Amino acid sequence: DSGVTQTPKHLITATGQRVTLRCSPRSGDLSVYWYQQSLDQGLQFLIQYYNGEERAKGNILERFSAQQFPDLHSELNLSSLELGDSALYFCASSVGPGGSLSNQPQHFGDGTRLSIL
Amino acid sequence: EDQVTQSPEALRLQEGESSSLNCSYTVSGLRGLFWYRQDPGKGPEFLFTLYSAGEEKEKERLKATLTKKESFLHITAPKPEDSATYLCAVRRVQGGSEKLVFGKGTKLTVNP
Repeated sequence: DSGVTQTPKHLITATGQRVTLRCSPRSGDLSVYWYQQSLDQGLQFLIQYYNGEERAKGNILERFSAQQFPDLHSELNLSSLELGDSALYFCASSVGPGGSLSNQPQHFGDGTRLSIL
Repeated sequence: EDQVTQSPEALRLQEGESSSLNCSYTVSGLRGLFWYRQDPGKGPEFLFTLYSAGEEKEKERLKATLTKKESFLHITAPKPEDSATYLCAVRRVQGGSEKLVFGKGTKLTVNP
């Protein structure tokens, strides 16, 4: 058990809808990272938050947004869903903000499987 | 462009048959190479971090090594419970933030 909790485990919805994925980081971790994993692309970094502030952006679509709350949990919002958004969405957490001063690995939750019908 | 390539894509071994997985990378601003294990329906589980060429890390039947352009994950006398997808990732640091760039993984199957 990594200590990172993601809910829900599975989500089935239709095209055009909006969903919210939730992540609680490990106790003491201030950074949260979101990744998308599809069969053909592998794990792709989406966005990072550190202590409530956006820290880094990856290949995140404009239809997607995230935030980190004062209690450090994070939510990933996906809107105007398309069939191609079907994937596993992982959250990871680490102690520090990342960057050259950080020697801590990222620890991953077990993901949310999103299926768009 | 940052790239991480893992080979082979899939590997079948008999129990006790040692082998190696490869991870080659091109990235600027490398600040660590990571190995993760992923079981079906689960998130990646952290195994090792390597920072500099020549570094080696060991854990049970696994040993990870690093050169300037690639890393190897050596599996000695594997058991069926070692079956999983092994992911390699490089940490790229830019402007005080970091991101992990992952390879697509090697799916290892160990038959009893």
